[in-house]
Amino acid sequence: NAGVTQTPKFQVLKTGQSMTLQCAQDMNHEYMSWYRQDPGMGLRLIHYSVGAGITDQGEVPNGYNVSRSTTEDFPLRLLSAAPSQTSVYFCASSHPGANTEAFFGQGTRLTVV
Amino acid sequence: DAKTTQPNSMESNEEEPVHLPCNHSTISGTDYIHWYRQLPSQGPEYVIHGLTSNVNNRMASLAIAEDRKSSTLILHRATLRDAAVYYCILRDVKSSGDKLTFGTGTRLAVRP
Repeated sequence: NAGVTQTPKFQVLKTGQSMTLQCAQDMNHEYMSWYRQDPGMGLRLIHYSVGAGITDQGEVPNGYNVSRSTTEDFPLRLLSAAPSQTSVYFCASSHPGANTEAFFGQGTRLTVV
Repeated sequence: DAKTTQPNSMESNEEEPVHLPCNHSTISGTDYIHWYRQLPSQGPEYVIHGLTSNVNNRMASLAIAEDRKSSTLILHRATLRDAAVYYCILRDVKSSGDKLTFGTGTRLAVRP
């Protein structure tokens, strides 16, 4: 199993550009989520999904869009990148339930100049 | 969501046990206690979780206080590979979605 796969691993954007961070999981997990991690801080939740066609906002959703058309994929879109979105982005997935473990991808390091 | 409090940093010698504390005084009866760790330049990885009873797995042990207001992650023999940031997180069984609330965690340094 590949687990949770994020692409790309690194990206540099210019202010105002748009891009999509890809996240795919092959564990048939219903739950998926996106987090960002700024230097010296813990992860903060951007958006999450409890199944195909269902998404909701997390703690820091502004500037990001998501959609979930399949169980496997949960892309994160930056419509107009800003320097404040420079961060490391992590995607996670899990089965439903508070007694299940979440699996994380290796992250995408994004720099907006 | 109920919050957790952890020390910012701890140090240990290699091959010695490590006890990482976590306070969660506002925990509710439906909160599971989870621990994750994040190695340098990697995504977080699951370590262990529990509800009321102490738990053991191949990575660590989790000791939960009787009143559930605190817990301790125990690494029985620290190795250099255990140097990481450890996060104590509460997950509410009533909450839908993968909504983990990460604090700043405890940065564990392991001395050779």
